[in-house]
Amino acid sequence: KNEVEQSPQNLTAQEGEFITINCSYSVGISALHWLQQHPGGGIVSLFMLSSGKKKHGRLIATINIQEKHSSLHITASHPRDSAVYICAVETSGSRLTFGEGTQLTVNP
Amino acid sequence: GAVVSQHPSWVICKSGTSVKIECRSLDFQATTMFWYRQFPKQSLMLMATSNEGSKATYEQGVEKDKFLINHASLTLSTLTVTSAHPEDSSFYICSARDSRGNTIYFGEGSWLTVV
Repeated sequence: KNEVEQSPQNLTAQEGEFITINCSYSVGISALHWLQQHPGGGIVSLFMLSSGKKKHGRLIATINIQEKHSSLHITASHPRDSAVYICAVETSGSRLTFGEGTQLTVNP
Repeated sequence: GAVVSQHPSWVICKSGTSVKIECRSLDFQATTMFWYRQFPKQSLMLMATSNEGSKATYEQGVEKDKFLINHASLTLSTLTVTSAHPEDSSFYICSARDSRGNTIYFGEGSWLTVV
């Protein structure tokens, strides 16, 4: 079992739909990161969470430390949101362990 | 704003040769940088932690003599893939934390193809 599990692996949505991507982890962490990877490979950090909830534009990330679970929500999805979304947990020394990613495709 | 720049973006080399990839932090100093590798349709895997002024810390299974890491300054870390083999073909990406804002920045990544 991987230390970081994401679901779903693939997600196809219609423009405007509300999207949720889930992440569960099994180790003690200092923080959890949500990342976005575009087809060319470049990675952008979306959120870093250690508790509660954060919002940036149409993106919302939540974390439940007791349940070792985090969710990334996208409201009013748009084709430009199509990318791979990666959950990564941070342990000692700023080391990151990554989930396998969720491929999101938003169709117009 | 803070950025991590990685070069080259794409490189093709012959088997047996060495390839150097650079990772620079712009506008901030990074005492620690991280090198990751990603094979197609797989998750990113940490290869090593690059420490400024000292030896890198390698993850289990990563050959330190094959993947040479040098972190000679607070803004530059290099990864050299020595005696490259086709199985080293992969996407290599670095990251660094900007301690001022506690944000992790990733380089653009480097696609290595060994022929």
